[in-house]
Amino acid sequence: DGGITQSPKYLFRKEGQNVTLSCEQNLNHDAMYWYRQDPGQGLRLIYYSQIVNDFQKGDIAEGYSVSREKKESFPLTVTSAQKNPTAFYLCASVQRDGNTIYFGEGSWLTVV
Amino acid sequence: AQSVTQLGSHVSVSEGALVLLRCNYSSSVPPYLFWYVQYPNQGLQLLLKYTTGATLVKGINGFEAEFKKSETSFHLTKPSAHMSDAAEYFCAVSESGAGSYQLTFGKGTKLSVIP
Repeated sequence: DGGITQSPKYLFRKEGQNVTLSCEQNLNHDAMYWYRQDPGQGLRLIYYSQIVNDFQKGDIAEGYSVSREKKESFPLTVTSAQKNPTAFYLCASVQRDGNTIYFGEGSWLTVV
Repeated sequence: AQSVTQLGSHVSVSEGALVLLRCNYSSSVPPYLFWYVQYPNQGLQLLLKYTTGATLVKGINGFEAEFKKSETSFHLTKPSAHMSDAAEYFCAVSESGAGSYQLTFGKGTKLSVIP
């Protein structure tokens, strides 16, 4: 079955470490998105990519980086510059006509 | 630029009462509109979506929403609330044009159902 797979589900990061969250889709979607969710703040856009080898900053890109080397993959790196990374992270993809949005199950990142 | 406003960050209803969650949007082109539900510690599940055609859209779990262009609204309703409806609900708008598209979410409405 087609879908989006995020991994890991739970991740712990030490202070000063970079960590990478994986997002893979086999839906042949062009556009992929990363959101951060904090309690009571809804979904905030971190980065998005409309096409391979191209991506744009969202509303809260500072302290994060992404790559889009393959259509299927859009990994998110949470760098040590992100001062408050503890949150729930959601990856999504959208097919070309904007008609259907698919979400991964999310990844919990906690700083220890 | 598109935007989504969900009125009320927290809504409480009694079990069996009408559920009404409000969503207004702004968009420069005819949008696609979505409602998602999120249960604690889970991802987002699509409830329903409007793309074209009939403006009253029926979704899963007895929910429905009506697209009203003149009011730029897409409110979510359910005639009779069930305890299992307690969750957070997100309205979203997607628009495309000239080979690009944007996806924007509202801040969410947490629904509590009182026994």
